[in-house]
Amino acid sequence: DVKVTQSSRYLVKRTGEKVFLECVQDMDHENMFWYRQDPGLGLRLIYFSYDVKMKEKGDIPEGYSVSREKKERFSLILESASTNQTSMYLCASSILAGGRKETQYFGPGTRLLVL
Amino acid sequence: EDQVTQSPEALRLQEGESSSLNCSYTVSGLRGLFWYRQDPGKGPEFLFTLYSAGEEKEKERLKATLTKKESFLHITAPKPEDSATYLCAVQALRDQGGKLIFGQGTELSVKP
Repeated sequence: DVKVTQSSRYLVKRTGEKVFLECVQDMDHENMFWYRQDPGLGLRLIYFSYDVKMKEKGDIPEGYSVSREKKERFSLILESASTNQTSMYLCASSILAGGRKETQYFGPGTRLLVL
Repeated sequence: EDQVTQSPEALRLQEGESSSLNCSYTVSGLRGLFWYRQDPGKGPEFLFTLYSAGEEKEKERLKATLTKKESFLHITAPKPEDSATYLCAVQALRDQGGKLIFGQGTELSVKP
């Protein structure tokens, strides 16, 4: 079974803090993704990575950065947390394309509250 | 613009009352359509992938079908444990990176 884990289920941070969200997958997947999920807005892609040290902006990258130093680990960084970044953050991973149809597998999510 | 629309937003059923959820999509070349189930406070759980029109997949009380414009998730004789939000997502052929475009989801409630 594919397993995607996230470092925290719940986090409470203060405005202006630097926040790190960690995601680890154990299936040797090339692709990794960070989404945020908000009521009425659905899942929105923040950043994704298709290889170590590679990253691509998603639909809402402003205020976020990412790091992928190892294949199994993908970190989301909130440089200076703001209250509008209060959300559920979801990490996902999938195998590389090349004729194969990828399925994204999700972690359990991190619910972040910024005060 | 690629887009996914799910209907209804919410659906309440009695146990045993069969129904269908709809996912309409517009995408410039479909690579795959995905169905997920999400329980409150948890990450989405993968259910099905459909690749081409006419394809069908089944899992227990769930059956997913695909046409060129929409997908249906049929729920036969649902049970209270089927209560969840069901998400539909599409992946475009041009997108080599595996990016998914999600619908807003249908919140299903099954009462005993």
